[in-house]
Amino acid sequence: SQQGEEDPQALSIQEGENATMNCSYKTSINNLQWYRQNSGRGLVHLILIRSNEREKHSGRLRVTLDTSKKSSSLLITASRAADTASYFCATVLDSGGYQKVTFGIGTKLQVIP
Amino acid sequence: GAVVSQHPSWVICKSGTSVKIECRSLDFQATTMFWYRQFPKQSLMLMATSNEGSKATYEQGVEKDKFLINHASLTLSTLTVTSAHPEDSSFYICSARAGLALSDTQYFGPGTRLTVL
Repeated sequence: SQQGEEDPQALSIQEGENATMNCSYKTSINNLQWYRQNSGRGLVHLILIRSNEREKHSGRLRVTLDTSKKSSSLLITASRAADTASYFCATVLDSGGYQKVTFGIGTKLQVIP
Repeated sequence: GAVVSQHPSWVICKSGTSVKIECRSLDFQATTMFWYRQFPKQSLMLMATSNEGSKATYEQGVEKDKFLINHASLTLSTLTVTSAHPEDSSFYICSARAGLALSDTQYFGPGTRLTVL
């Protein structure tokens, strides 16, 4: 499996429900970031969590990081139809003085009104 | 918030021609810009990292002579796909980072869809 691998790959929920997406990675990291991408559009940065942090909140988003398990989760509470998008995690590692960012394959979330 | 633009939004070209894609940071100075490509239903793959005024660092497997990157100013980076072929058809996305810290956020452009006939 590749660095920054999300699961599930696709998720369909009803509006108002919570959506949980997971991301696993293999190497050590400096931080992990979550992005969303609407179809055919660029990425929008959602939240960044550093390797020494365990949990972070931003509005309806909650991100956890477990470096011992090399995994992170993104929780979207009280989902809305507008949350329909693909969500990617990206691991960031400083390697030899330059920053290597690796994206996962993403989770496609559909929120049904 | 920080805005990154790309031009053109989409381009269709004949095989063998070269295509230049521009990436601009509109309201901040970008010390580092990144170029990614994304194939349909796949994730972004980092192609290269460029710091203003220096040569780009290419990821393994990316041909630097085919994908020419120029980061001549703090607000502009260009990616030129030379002698494009149908297999180069993809969605190319740039991102820009204002600072040098690892935690500095990357701001992504809207992407450029390249179709090579």
